[in-house]
Amino acid sequence: ETGVTQSPTHLIKTRGQQVTLRCSSQSGHNTVSWYQQALGQGPQFIFQYYREEENGRGNFPPRFSGLQFPNYSSELNVNALELDDSALYLCASSLGVDNEQFFGPGTRLTVL
Amino acid sequence: DQQVKQNSPSLSVQEGRISILNCDYTNSMFDYFLWYKKYPAEGPTFLISISSIKDKNEDGRFTVFLNKSAKHLSLHIVPSQPGDSAVYFCAATLNSGNTPLVFGKGTRLSVIA
Repeated sequence: ETGVTQSPTHLIKTRGQQVTLRCSSQSGHNTVSWYQQALGQGPQFIFQYYREEENGRGNFPPRFSGLQFPNYSSELNVNALELDDSALYLCASSLGVDNEQFFGPGTRLTVL
Repeated sequence: DQQVKQNSPSLSVQEGRISILNCDYTNSMFDYFLWYKKYPAEGPTFLISISSIKDKNEDGRFTVFLNKSAKHLSLHIVPSQPGDSAVYFCAATLNSGNTPLVFGKGTRLSVIA
């Protein structure tokens, strides 16, 4: 059974650019949640996708958007990058919206 | 506005002793609480949880205590082992579900051999 994987591991962007982060959910999981973990902080909920539909969103601006595909993998897109977007982005998958979440290793984004 | 607070950024404990990690919350609507452990370069992994209808839950060396009136929970690890060295996050949810998780800032535990 393959766990949650994320790509890329690290990336560096400049302010104003756009970025796409990818997540492959654990086999059989139909729900993906994304979290942002800034340095020295705990992970903060961005949004959740269940069966390709957004199912809840945290306090993040619209320039944070996402997609979930029929195979339940997911993308997080961030437009007009700001310096404060520098963080570790974590993806978590679960079987259903209220079941235990399994986290991937994260993508570390640095915005210069 | 931090709804889940872990006021100790770090904790050092001798191997074999008890580790006690504390967590406070402000939102009285939270009814399910979880602890996650995170090693460097890995995602958080679920450790133990407790529903608001209980005041204690035990799983091997790990016990979580909940004091609803004080809005406080703690994680006890007995005995502590060097492999327990990690960052521990306290998290809370509404409606007895697992999402969305509201995390504290974490406590870095170092278990010294």
